[in-house]
Order: sequence, then structure tokens, then C-alpha cells
Amino acid sequence: DAGVTQSPTHLIKTRGQHVTLRCSPISGHKSVSWYQQVLGQGPQFIFQYYEKEERGRGNFPDRFSARQFPNYSSELNVNALLLGDSALYLCASSLSGGSGNTIYFGEGSWLTVV
Amino acid sequence: AQSVSQHNHHVILSEAASLELGCNYSYGGTVNLFWYVQYPGQHLQLLLKYFSGDPLVKGIKGFEAEFIKSKFSFNLRKPSVQWSDTAEYFCAGSNDMRFGAGTRLTVKP
Repeated sequence: DAGVTQSPTHLIKTRGQHVTLRCSPISGHKSVSWYQQVLGQGPQFIFQYYEKEERGRGNFPDRFSARQFPNYSSELNVNALLLGDSALYLCASSLSGGSGNTIYFGEGSWLTVV
Repeated sequence: AQSVSQHNHHVILSEAASLELGCNYSYGGTVNLFWYVQYPGQHLQLLLKYFSGDPLVKGIKGFEAEFIKSKFSFNLRKPSVQWSDTAEYFCAGSNDMRFGAGTRLTVKP
């Protein structure tokens, strides 16, 4: 079975640009979460979506947005990129997104902002 | 505020040594706690999880963790580490899956 897949795996953007990261959850999983992992730190929660509705949002500026599609895949968008947005962006999926659900991570998208 | 904290930032052990990595949580309600491992160049993988029941949880690769409610702790243990256990270990929990800062484990052969 395919796990959580993310694209692109690596990308370089310049300050001020916009980026879109994509995620396909494990088949049958209806919840997708996004995390930012800066080198040397633990993943920081950005968003959680379940059945196309935003269920949770972490402490990130409005430049960060996301959505979930009818097939449960998801996009994370970041506008007006800053150097500090350079990080590994992780997508995770779970069956229903409840606190008792195990989440499974993709390999991430490495974003470098120059 | 809900939080999960890990005390050890970098632990260095020799092979066959015993391991204990600390994790504390601070949130109420239903407690769901996880340990994830990230091997070099790989994605996060679930080691074990606690939802309810037996506070001693067994995971993959010989790892276990004990939930101690009175201490708000969920420490990860392994009796005898191997070189292949070299990785970053993350404790996570709370309603929106907050992660600790991680503990880097280096096992010397």
C-alpha cells in the first residue's frame, strides 16, 4: 500500500514568491495535517483538515493557507516567502483526525528560500 | 497551554547500553501520547503509542514506554541499544499532535 506521498521533494524559491506543496494521504484516510520542521527542532503543527473542513490551525501567519480536495488530497500554500520559511514541510494523514488516531507521515518537501 | 517537552537534546551511548529518553506533557482531558523516530534521511515513523489501558506500552524494535500519570511523563526505554538506533526521537501528544523538540541519539559501535 502506498504511504503518504508528497510533492515536490525539494524546491528552491526566492523571497516574496509563492509556493504550493501537495500531499496525497494513505488510501482510506480522510484527515490530512501539515507540519513545518525547521532543522534541529520538532515538527510544528500548521493545519489539520478533515472532510475538506479546517479542523485545527497552529500559530502560523495568514501567509500560510491550505485546502483539502474531495479525494482527500491536500495543498499547502505559502505566500510572500521569507527566508525563515526554509524548512521541511511534512504532511501526515490519519483515518479521521481525532486525537486518538495515529498519524502517518510522508517524507516531506524540503523548501529552501533564498 | 498544551505542550509536550523533551529534556534531553543529545544523548550519546555505547552499544548495549540502556536507554531512557524523557518526555513530559502538560494538558488535560484525554491523553494520547506517541513516540516517533526519524532515521537519517528518512521520514518520521511511529515507534509506539498510548491511548489507554496498560501504562507500559511495547513498540517496535524493542522499544517500550511507560505512561506515569502522576508525573505527567511518557519516557521511552530500550534495555540494550544498537548502532542502528542512531536517530532523532520525538515525543508527541495533545489534541492537535504537538511534538517535543526531539532527542538526537547517537550510538557508538
